[in-house]
Amino acid sequence: GNSVTQMEGPVTLSEEAFLTINCTYTATGYPSLFWYVQYPGEGLQLLLKATKADDKGSNKGFEATYRKETTSFHLEKGSVQVSDSAVYFCALSYFRGGTSYGKLTFGQGTILTVHP
Amino acid sequence: EAQVTQNPRYLITVTGKKLTVTCSQNMNHEYMSWYRQDPGLGLRQIYYSMNVEVTDKGDVPEGYKVSRKEKRNFPLILESPSPNQTSLYFCASTELVGTDTQYFGPGTRLTVL
Repeated sequence: GNSVTQMEGPVTLSEEAFLTINCTYTATGYPSLFWYVQYPGEGLQLLLKATKADDKGSNKGFEATYRKETTSFHLEKGSVQVSDSAVYFCALSYFRGGTSYGKLTFGQGTILTVHP
Repeated sequence: EAQVTQNPRYLITVTGKKLTVTCSQNMNHEYMSWYRQDPGLGLRQIYYSMNVEVTDKGDVPEGYKVSRKEKRNFPLILESPSPNQTSLYFCASTELVGTDTQYFGPGTRLTVL
């Protein structure tokens, strides 16, 4: 079956440091890939997504590139802020021909803490 | 405002006492689902529904029931809760055509003593 593996956390950084959170996946076919973020006490919000190989998703300074050859979708940000402290989830689902197959398969989540 | 609401947000109960967590969305989405979030395991799908009166098991359905009598509502029912169902629960919804973006509720933190 499908699976998503994220780097072990938690990750602790100083403000303005570079962030990488690794994500690799196992899936058949061509899934869509997502990063979701969960701020303390809140639900999940979509951070960015990519729907096909070599696509780059970006939002709020975060980027991730869909690498089919390495089955990866690593999250990066050049300069983190205290407000980026949250839990980050990598996920996949299938969306083809304008039709969603609904289910998201999630990684285990990575806790990011950014200190001033 | 487009949103998914869940109630209650926090619940402490005892083993065996039936409970229901409600979920409602105002976006006319066909697809709704329930996930549970546990440390080190991420989110795992419990049940899903592709439309009214159409429900099916996800990856971890044991001990849970759902119903979909109206398009906007998708309650999660624990007939006889046990301590291993202590978790953070999220409801989510999405359209089945035209988008792959899911909307999540704020979560329900359940403790079963």
